[in-house]
Amino acid sequence: DTEVTQTPKHLVMGMTNKKSLKCEQHMGHRAMYWYKQKAKKPPELMFVYSYEKLSINESVPSRFSPECPNSSLLNLHLHALQPEDSALYLCASSQAIQGQGSPLHFGNGTRLTVT
Amino acid sequence: KQEVTQIPAALSVPEGENLVLNCSFTDSAIYNLQWFRQDPGKGLTSLLLIQSSQREQTSGRLNASLDKSSGRSTLYIAASQPGDSATYLCAVRPEEDSGGSNYKLTFGKGTLLTVNP
Repeated sequence: DTEVTQTPKHLVMGMTNKKSLKCEQHMGHRAMYWYKQKAKKPPELMFVYSYEKLSINESVPSRFSPECPNSSLLNLHLHALQPEDSALYLCASSQAIQGQGSPLHFGNGTRLTVT
Repeated sequence: KQEVTQIPAALSVPEGENLVLNCSFTDSAIYNLQWFRQDPGKGLTSLLLIQSSQREQTSGRLNASLDKSSGRSTLYIAASQPGDSATYLCAVRPEEDSGGSNYKLTFGKGTLLTVNP
């Protein structure tokens, strides 16, 4: 069982829809991440939140909008996506983004299909 | 720029065999190295984390080693089982930058392991 919970597990949306992905962790971690993973590729970093503030945006298109309502929750709001955005979206958390060398914990992901 | 390579890309073994997965990295300025397993369509499960000052870590049938100076890590799986079938990824965390952050992991492309009954 994963300690990082993502919902929904699967999502199909049209290019004009607005949807949100949700992520929750209760490990007291202060860093949370969104990754995107295409088939047979390693995960690619999208966003990093540290202490509920957006620290890193890896040049992600504005149709992806992250939000961190509190230290346990992370959302990814989706709007006007393209079919090429179809992928597995992974949430992860760690104790911090500095030092420590703490392990990264991943959720099981949301399989997104854009039609 | 850090590059992480995993060899082989795919490996098929009979049940019960001991096996070694390899991970190499080009920049030895790492803070730690983490091994993950990923089942099809699932997220990544952390297996072992080795800090740069460590040589190896063990968990059950798994043993990971790290030779930082040569840029290599191995994941040893003893007495493999069909349930070990998955993709195994290694990822390196860099040393802290001038701002004290080392958030961005560099992943290898993974080794797809199949253990046949």
